[in-house]
Amino acid sequence: QKEVEQNSGPLSVPEGAIASLNCTYSDRGSQSFFWYRQYSGKSPELIMFIYSNGDKEDGRFTAQLNKASQYVSLLIRDSQPSDSATYLCAVNRGGGFKTIFGAGTRLFVKA
Amino acid sequence: DGGITQSPKYLFRKEGQNVTLSCEQNLNHDAMYWYRQDPGQGLRLIYYSQIVNDFQKGDIAEGYSVSREKKESFPLTVTSAQKNPTAFYLCASRMTSVHGETQYFGPGTRLLVL
Repeated sequence: QKEVEQNSGPLSVPEGAIASLNCTYSDRGSQSFFWYRQYSGKSPELIMFIYSNGDKEDGRFTAQLNKASQYVSLLIRDSQPSDSATYLCAVNRGGGFKTIFGAGTRLFVKA
Repeated sequence: DGGITQSPKYLFRKEGQNVTLSCEQNLNHDAMYWYRQDPGQGLRLIYYSQIVNDFQKGDIAEGYSVSREKKESFPLTVTSAQKNPTAFYLCASRMTSVHGETQYFGPGTRLLVL
């Protein structure tokens, strides 16, 4: 079992729809959870982080964390073609431990 | 401007040659990391350093070496022992806050073998 698992996609949604990206992790000691966006040929860019169970909203992005189910998700409302990218889920248990990255989900937003 | 810089953007390596990738940060972050990303793949950790003059091997350290003589700098050398070095190399540094630890990435170096 991979430490951080994501559906590789591609996930295709029409412009204006809600895109839902999911991630599961295996380490119950994980404390911090991150979503990075990576455009083709570019480096990952941090877009959201969440530490507590529940929802965290930032503009069109909402991160959802359920530690009991070891599940974290990212919702993108009113999806735009510019949201088309690979989204990486990352997990860290703090204390200097390594951050573990998922392989990423490719998202395509069709105009 | 605060941030992480990597150079060069593209690097070509001849067989048997050692090459060094530069990574500099002015964010005053203690920890720095090197990752390798292959097409369609996730990030794999090569080396990391939590403090000056100290570094640890990551998951795929064979064929690579690093140094951490200054807080701002964490260069990566790809040695001739690395038989398949073509990849996108990403340097990151880590910010620690009351909420946890967050990594920020440089723009990356794409290494190609001639």
